[in-house]
Amino acid sequence: NAGVTQTPKFRILKIGQSMTLQCAQDMNHNYMYWYRQDPGMGLKLIYYSVGAGITDKGEVPNGYNVSRSTTEDFPLRLELAAPSQTSVYFCASSYSRLVVTDTQYFGPGTRLTVL
Amino acid sequence: TQLLEQSPQFLSIQEGENLTVYCNSSSVFSSLQWYRQEPGEGPVLLVTVVTGGEVKKLKRLTFQFGDARKDSSLHITAAQPGDTGLYLCAGGRSGNTPLVFGKGTRLSVIA
Repeated sequence: NAGVTQTPKFRILKIGQSMTLQCAQDMNHNYMYWYRQDPGMGLKLIYYSVGAGITDKGEVPNGYNVSRSTTEDFPLRLELAAPSQTSVYFCASSYSRLVVTDTQYFGPGTRLTVL
Repeated sequence: TQLLEQSPQFLSIQEGENLTVYCNSSSVFSSLQWYRQEPGEGPVLLVTVVTGGEVKKLKRLTFQFGDARKDSSLHITAAQPGDTGLYLCAGGRSGNTPLVFGKGTRLSVIA
């Protein structure tokens, strides 16, 4: 199994540009998550999904959009990039959040810089 | 408002020393997880504790969940350079609510 994969690894955007961060998992997990990690700030949840067709906002959703058309894929869309969105973005998945002890598996991250 | 406070924020020690890092909250959690993140990679789960007072050991790492399930600690014995990384705690609440992560403790073990 490849686990959780993310593309691209690095990206530089100009202010106002748009892009989609790709995330895929091959573990048949129901739950998928997008986090951003700023220096010294830990992980902040952007959006999450409990299954195909179902998404919900996390702590910091403004400026982002998501969709979940399949169990495997959970892309994150930035419509009008701003310098405040410079961060490292992590995608994660878990089998089920109904079990509070469930493990989240993280991808390697996408480092995004907005200039 | 940060639900989970981790301390210290940074820690630099010599190889062979012992250390303890803390994860504290005013809220009760159903479970508490510890993750380790190495540079350029995503976090990886180390342990999950679910019972108040529970102690789990993973080689030289000892994890404890507070009796009231509001805090946790991670103790490392005889730290090695391979222990270097960012240690994150994450609290689980009941139902379908997502995990809450602390800001992490960045540990550097110098040979």
